[in-house]
Amino acid sequence: GAVVSQHPSRVICKSGTSVKIECRSLDFQATTMFWYRQFPKQSLMLMATSNEGSKATYEQGVEKDKFLINHASLTLSTLTVTSAHPEDSSFYICSARDPTASFYGYTFGSGTRLTVV
Amino acid sequence: AQSVTQLDSHVSVSEGTPVLLRCNYSSSYSPSLFWYVQHPNKGLQLLLKYTSAATLVKGINGFEAEFKKSETSFHLTKPSAHMSDTTEYYCVVTQSGGYQKVTFGTGTKLQVIP
Repeated sequence: GAVVSQHPSRVICKSGTSVKIECRSLDFQATTMFWYRQFPKQSLMLMATSNEGSKATYEQGVEKDKFLINHASLTLSTLTVTSAHPEDSSFYICSARDPTASFYGYTFGSGTRLTVV
Repeated sequence: AQSVTQLDSHVSVSEGTPVLLRCNYSSSYSPSLFWYVQHPNKGLQLLLKYTSAATLVKGINGFEAEFKKSETSFHLTKPSAHMSDTTEYYCVVTQSGGYQKVTFGTGTKLQVIP
């Protein structure tokens, strides 16, 4: 079945630095990937939709200059948290859908726990 | 526009008893509906999906859900709870077809007690 690999699983960084999170579709090509953020004991909130070869579409309230998304290939999307601050500490999850799959369903990465100190 | 409401934030059941996690949706279009499970600090795993085929959908680990258009509901059930079912469950709605925006419910924490 479709597999999405997300790396790293955990990262701790200092305030003011940047962190890159990778999301890879391992056995399928994903023209569209999605990035979510989940605060403790809350649901997943869509941050942005990543489209291969074009600019990402950001949800209202998400700073595009802070959360840089690059979808340079059909199997890789990256989310860079720039100038991270403690309030950016969260669980980030990506997802993608295999367009060739016979069923509807979004495969999720295992998530990245970001802690900004 | 679409939305999904999970009516219970916490559900506690005894092991071996039935499970009912409630989900109501709102959609301007023909929806696709999913239930996902999330274990602590991990990604999400698809339990089951409804995509306009059979209204009673069977998923993994003995879970099933029934799509009721008249009630705009997609409740998740399991005849007999197991301790390993203790975790967070999310009801999800999206528009059928294509790469549509996915909307998550607020989640239901299921606790199975011995």
